Amino acid sequence: GDSVTQTEGLVTLTEGLPVMLNCTYQSTYSPFLFWYVQHLNEAPKLLLKSFTDNKRPEHQGFHATLHKSSSSFHLQKSSAQLSDSALYYCASASSSFSKLVFGQGTSLSVVP
Amino acid sequence: GPKVLQIPSHQIIDMGQMVTLNCDPVSNHLYFYWYKQILGQQMEFLVNFYNGKVMEKSKLFKDQFSVERPDGSYFTLKIQPTALEDSAVYFCASSLGNIPNSDYTFGSGTRLLVI
Repeated sequence: GDSVTQTEGLVTLTEGLPVMLNCTYQSTYSPFLFWYVQHLNEAPKLLLKSFTDNKRPEHQGFHATLHKSSSSFHLQKSSAQLSDSALYYCASASSSFSKLVFGQGTSLSVVP
Repeated sequence: GPKVLQIPSHQIIDMGQMVTLNCDPVSNHLYFYWYKQILGQQMEFLVNFYNGKVMEKSKLFKDQFSVERPDGSYFTLKIQPTALEDSAVYFCASSLGNIPNSDYTFGSGTRLLVI
């Protein structure tokens, strides 16, 4: 079945440094990929989504490029802010378009 | 923006008892979902619901689980009887249409502890 892998459980960064959170996926069919962000005690919110190979959607300074050749959808930002501290989930939808398959999540902690 | 409300935010229940988790979805949404997240693990799909019916459920959706949306009000997840392994955060979500035409709106989750 489909699966999503986020290799980092916790990433700690100094403010101003670049962010890169990894996401790879396995899918039988051509997938749709998503990044969700969840701040403490809040609901997960959609950050980015992509359906097209090599396109780079951007939102709130974050971007991610879907690379079907490497089955990856890494999340990047050029300069981390303290307010970026949150849980980040990568998710996919492919074989069934009525559900999401989530990765384990990466906790990003940005420190001064 | 529009929100999905989950009530209660926390629930502690004795093993074997029944529990109902309530979800107030976005008002014009038509698709409803429950996801389960055990501490330290990823969110996993439980069930989705459309037009008064379960469309798809995962192997995590045990026989003790049921969902309904009576009279178009709350979308509920009932567990009867509860087991220790049901302790988790349960997230409700709703969407206007299917992926990729519509985006999910998630609630903040109900933290269920079965003791």
